[in-house]
Amino acid sequence: EAGVAQSPRYKIIEKRQSVAFWCNPISGHATLYWYQQILGQGPKLLIQFQNNGVVDDSQLPKDRFSAERLKGVDSTLKIQPAKLEDSAVYLCASSLSLVDRWTSGRFLKAYEQYFGPGTRLTVT
Amino acid sequence: GQSLEQPSEVTAVEGAIVQINCTYQTSGFYGLSWYQQHDGGAPTFLSYNALDGLEETGRFSSFLSRSDSYGYLLLQELQMKDSASYFCAVRADTGRRALTFGSGTRLQVQP
Repeated sequence: EAGVAQSPRYKIIEKRQSVAFWCNPISGHATLYWYQQILGQGPKLLIQFQNNGVVDDSQLPKDRFSAERLKGVDSTLKIQPAKLEDSAVYLCASSLSLVDRWTSGRFLKAYEQYFGPGTRLTVT
Repeated sequence: GQSLEQPSEVTAVEGAIVQINCTYQTSGFYGLSWYQQHDGGAPTFLSYNALDGLEETGRFSSFLSRSDSYGYLLLQELQMKDSASYFCAVRADTGRRALTFGSGTRLQVQP
């Protein structure tokens, strides 16, 4: 099965410019996450989608960051305008379900998230 | 909110056993996960504990004590390829089931 796809892999922009990242989750995964990982730190959740609805965006800096998942499949994350402190790796992840549950004889592990390769953003 | 503490670095030799500890503080608790991340790579899922006790998956085992808010990842028969960062992550028992990650433990395996 294909993994989580992200593009671009690298992006260099100047501060105050805008940038957009794209993510295509594993087929059939209902839950999609965007994380920000600053060098030397763990990933920090920005936003979580269940299908095309937002479950949690409490840590998303909404004055400059936006995200959408219009058809419940792929997603875009945008930063406008970018700041120096936005330099980080932006990781997209997906999981089968929002909660652990049995359905149709199969156990859906919500806790097992699959990460894409990330987009390394450098803001100069 | 949630906070997690784990050692920043651990060094061990090939073939040895290493334990990476994780303590957490959270307003609610659903489970503790462990992820491995090689330099420049994506985090990959290793294990998950929702209940007290030990879970074993090959050379890796993970332990959880909910009463102590503590868990650890045990890596046996260390190999050079195990050199990576290891993150513990908490799922809070709220409608928000996403992960809160620790800062990671960088494991260096030496020959």
